[in-house]
Amino acid sequence: AQSVTQPDIHITVSEGASLELRCNYSYGATPYLFWYVQSPGQGLQLLLKYFSGDTLVQGIKGFEAEFKRSQSSFNLRKPSVHWSDAAEYFCAVVPTRGGGGNKLTFGTGTQLKVEL
Amino acid sequence: GAGVSQTPSNKVTEKGKYVELRCDPISGHTALYWYRQSLGQGPEFLIYFQGTGAADDSGLPNDRFFAVRPEGSVSTLKIQRTERGDSAVYLCASSLEAVQPYNEQFFGPGTRLTVL
Repeated sequence: AQSVTQPDIHITVSEGASLELRCNYSYGATPYLFWYVQSPGQGLQLLLKYFSGDTLVQGIKGFEAEFKRSQSSFNLRKPSVHWSDAAEYFCAVVPTRGGGGNKLTFGTGTQLKVEL
Repeated sequence: GAGVSQTPSNKVTEKGKYVELRCDPISGHTALYWYRQSLGQGPEFLIYFQGTGAADDSGLPNDRFFAVRPEGSVSTLKIQRTERGDSAVYLCASSLEAVQPYNEQFFGPGTRLTVL
């Protein structure tokens, strides 16, 4: 079955430390891939997206993600975390086949806590 | 410019009552999406409109849920005979035409529905 998996429900890192949030997908064809961030009281905000081409994509707020076809993964990274990065992060996909109208399928999210 | 707005921000109702949730998309966006986010979960697709018509309503959980977008702008999600399981945050997003590869969906802050 088609799915998006975020294995880590909660992650805690110290401010200034590096961060990697995992995302795996299971689709017949590589879907379009996204990372969103949701802060308390805020709407979902797109951090970055991957359609094709260079497998390392840069996003806003200093985030980047790497697409690895062999591992069906699209992990989000940041070299140095700031306290303001504390939020919930969602990996999401849009299938590239089936005419789905670009409806997003989200993972269950990873809650990031930043220790000062 | 103005983003996606949703009203009310919070709605508390009693089991069995009828509720309407409103979404004002970004001006000029022809595609409009509704998602539902239950506690501890990622958003789940409900329905999307391209213009005035519902292009895909496959995510509506049952016939108690209905959505309209009569003039191709504002949309209303309607829930009849509410149940406690309907309690969630209802998110609206809009984008330019829903074609691939992808037009970014911009999310509103959501309406938190609580059914007592």
